[in-house]
Amino acid sequence: KNEVEQSPQNLTAQEGEFITINCSYSVGISALHWLQQHPGGGIVSLFMLSSGKKKHGRLIATINIQEKHSSLHITASHPRDSAVYICAVGVHRGEDRDDKIIFGKGTRLHILP
Amino acid sequence: KAGVTQTPRYLIKTRGQQVTLSCSPISGHRSVSWYQQTPGQGLQFLFEYFSETQRNKGNFPGRFSGRQFSNSRSEMNVSTLELGDSALYLCASSFGTGVHNEQFFGPGTRLTVL
Repeated sequence: KNEVEQSPQNLTAQEGEFITINCSYSVGISALHWLQQHPGGGIVSLFMLSSGKKKHGRLIATINIQEKHSSLHITASHPRDSAVYICAVGVHRGEDRDDKIIFGKGTRLHILP
Repeated sequence: KAGVTQTPRYLIKTRGQQVTLSCSPISGHRSVSWYQQTPGQGLQFLFEYFSETQRNKGNFPGRFSGRQFSNSRSEMNVSTLELGDSALYLCASSFGTGVHNEQFFGPGTRLTVL
């Protein structure tokens, strides 16, 4: 079982719909990152959060530490939101061990005009 | 501020050769992390350098190595290339350590091993 699981793997929606992408993890984390990757490979960091909720424009990210779950929401979706969204967790492993970052497999979002 | 830059953007090598990739971070950032992305495995963490020292390392063989210079620029080297090393290699910079801070990604170097 992967330490970071995302759902759904693929999502197609109509322009204007409310989008939710989920991320569950099974390890203790120091931070959770939401990334966006467009065709061609460029990655943009959308959010980094360790508790609560963050909002930027039409994007909202929430995290529930007790349930080890995070969601990324897109309101009023637009075709330009079409991309792969990747959840990643930072894991602090103690003074004698390397920290690491673990990625989910990504959610491919396609917004139809 | 200029973003993270990576050179070269595309590279074709043959099995057994070695390759060096370069990453210039955002000015003032002290951490550079390297990642490998393949269709099968997705994104995987290679290693992180902070102030010229390797801080964290992922689960990759010793053929993958790196270094960081005093100006925070970083290089990644892969020796004895294998077909499975074909991938998009991304670097990211951050002010603090990348695992626990917001990272800014470069455009990547696409390596093809023939």
